[in-house]
Amino acid sequence: VQLQESGPGLVKPSQTLSLTCTVSGGSLSSGSYYWSWIRQHPGKGLEWIGYIYYIGSTHYNPSLKSRLTISIDTSKNQFSLRLSSVTAADTAVYYCARAPDYDFWTFDLWGQGTLVTVSS
Amino acid sequence: QSVLTQPPSASGTPGQRVTISCSGSNSNIGNNYVIWYQQLPGTAPKLLIYRNDQRPSGVPDRFSGSKSGTSASLAISGLRSEDEADYYCAAWDDSLSGVVFGGGTKLTVL
Repeated sequence: VQLQESGPGLVKPSQTLSLTCTVSGGSLSSGSYYWSWIRQHPGKGLEWIGYIYYIGSTHYNPSLKSRLTISIDTSKNQFSLRLSSVTAADTAVYYCARAPDYDFWTFDLWGQGTLVTVSS
Repeated sequence: QSVLTQPPSASGTPGQRVTISCSGSNSNIGNNYVIWYQQLPGTAPKLLIYRNDQRPSGVPDRFSGSKSGTSASLAISGLRSEDEADYYCAAWDDSLSGVVFGGGTKLTVL
């Protein structure tokens, strides 16, 4: 199983950041896993953004909740992130990751990450 | 300011044993499993230790984890040059209702 993030590398301030994670070699709808987004500001540590389960239930980082939507499309084997009203503080490498449903902060598989820069 | 506290750096010479600490509170480490991730330069993090002290298949037994109360530790024995990386601890936080990470420890092999 592999995860691959995709989306624009540059987003203007106040706009919406949109990323997609494509799962290959396995099925999102098979259950058993939570699918998360995690970001890493340049030169900094990791920040959990939120997760989605295959049935569509979500849980978000409270600090981002008001601006965040995570959705899933099992027909395309993809899950997505939308973060609205972005600022320079949202510039980061964004990772998608998988965690088993019995330990949903044990991220056992990660995408390679994609850098998103917020700048005009 | 990270919820979990790690030393920013650690170092050792080849063959040595080094330990990295992770300090939290009752709402995170005190009540939930601790996870450790290794991030080699320019790559995505990799799962190193789960459920406090369990190693995924493929992780050498030179790496070990432990937890006591509201603190956890990662130990690396027989240090090798390829262990030079950033190491992060993580746990679920019941109060924040989310996953929290430590700030990361940069390990240098001298």
